[in-house]
Amino acid sequence: EAQVTQNPRYLITVTGKKLTVTCSQNMNHEYMSWYRQDPGLGLRQIYYSMNVEVTDKGDVPEGYKVSRKEKRNFPLILESPSPNQTSLYFCASSSLAGGYDTQYFGPGTRLTVL
Amino acid sequence: AQSVTQPDIHITVSEGASLELRCNYSYGATPYLFWYVQSPGQGLQLLLKYFSGDTLVQGIKGFEAEFKRSQSSFNLRKPSVHWSDAAEYFCARSGGSGAGSYQLTFGKGTKLSVIP
Repeated sequence: EAQVTQNPRYLITVTGKKLTVTCSQNMNHEYMSWYRQDPGLGLRQIYYSMNVEVTDKGDVPEGYKVSRKEKRNFPLILESPSPNQTSLYFCASSSLAGGYDTQYFGPGTRLTVL
Repeated sequence: AQSVTQPDIHITVSEGASLELRCNYSYGATPYLFWYVQSPGQGLQLLLKYFSGDTLVQGIKGFEAEFKRSQSSFNLRKPSVHWSDAAEYFCARSGGSGAGSYQLTFGKGTKLSVIP
């Protein structure tokens, strides 16, 4: 089944404790992206990647890092989480073959930073 | 910068009634437009999309949307709402050039409540 998976689905942590949220897709998509969703703000893009070893900032990149060492994986790293990073995070992927295509979203990771 | 506006934060309709959710996008190159639905505690599911061609697009679950360039709108409609349609709906657009053409800009969402 074609899908985007994220782990963990739920995470409670404390300020300053480094964490990684994993994202993996099995559709051989080139494009991957991270969004955060906050009430009243909709979804905002954090980082995106056009292909392996190619990443760039989205609209709200501060406090986050990403890496794209393999095509299928795109982890989101919070090196020193703060309470304002409490949010619902979504990973998405899309094919670039033949031009723009639909982005498919993972199930989300709910992060709470105390 | 691209923007998407969903003027209605919350809409309540009776089951069986018709529905229209509004979406306006900022003017720019021909946009790619999407409607996603998010049920409580779930991820985002694509309802429909518009890239080009026929301005009336059909989606899943009986939804349709009409692209109106003159009004910069892409409103979502359903002729008869079911209780299971209660969810939050997001309009999104992409467009531009290069890597920016893949960035999705979302509206803030419209929460739909359905009265049995």
